[in-house]
Amino acid sequence: QSALTQPASVSGSPGQSITLSCTGTSTDVGGYKYVSWYQQHPGNAPKLMIYDVTKRPSGVSNRFSGSKSGSTASLTISGLQAEDEADYYCSSYTSSSTYYVFGTGTKVTVL
Amino acid sequence: QITLKESGPTLVKPTQTLTLTCTFSGFSLSTTGVGVGWIRQPPGKALEWLGIIYWDDNDYYSPSLKSRLTITKDTSKNQVVLTMTNMDPVDTATYYCAHRPPQWLCFDHWGQGTLVTVSS
Repeated sequence: QSALTQPASVSGSPGQSITLSCTGTSTDVGGYKYVSWYQQHPGNAPKLMIYDVTKRPSGVSNRFSGSKSGSTASLTISGLQAEDEADYYCSSYTSSSTYYVFGTGTKVTVL
Repeated sequence: QITLKESGPTLVKPTQTLTLTCTFSGFSLSTTGVGVGWIRQPPGKALEWLGIIYWDDNDYYSPSLKSRLTITKDTSKNQVVLTMTNMDPVDTATYYCAHRPPQWLCFDHWGQGTLVTVSS
């Protein structure tokens, strides 16, 4: 089971909206609603931002939203802020023997 | 309030066995649907899922590491133990344990992580 594919980097200016992609297959992203997104600042543990494709845990800003089309999931960050600069990882359940898989990660830079 | 914390050696020699303990609070691993997973991250690289153990003792492992991994739980002590055999320098990474809630298939609380270096 290969990792889900994410762009290595995405950048944007403060206040802008950016969208991060996460591409899998029909056995993971495309086949189930169990896509989640994690934010990781340098030296810190990952933080859950989105689960079940579109849902936000309590306490996560509504500037973060998730969606999915086919085998590609997306995380949109609206009103980009300096504090959003971090690495972002998608993940998904997979029906393969792997059971669970993370993405390759995207570094978000706020210009 | 859910908290998790990893503990174990920071340095292991090649071919040795790594044993890490995840000590948690704020939830019970006897609650239906709850799981504790292990994830690692080599320096400067991406997250890699290792495995998970559930309240009912069901467990799942990354196929590429399955032959080397064992995850066990001690519900009375609120601990989960990861054992990885035949360690290699490529296993150098920060190892995290994380809580999987019963209603969602994701990890909503993570430990701070522990860096394990494999070197002779």
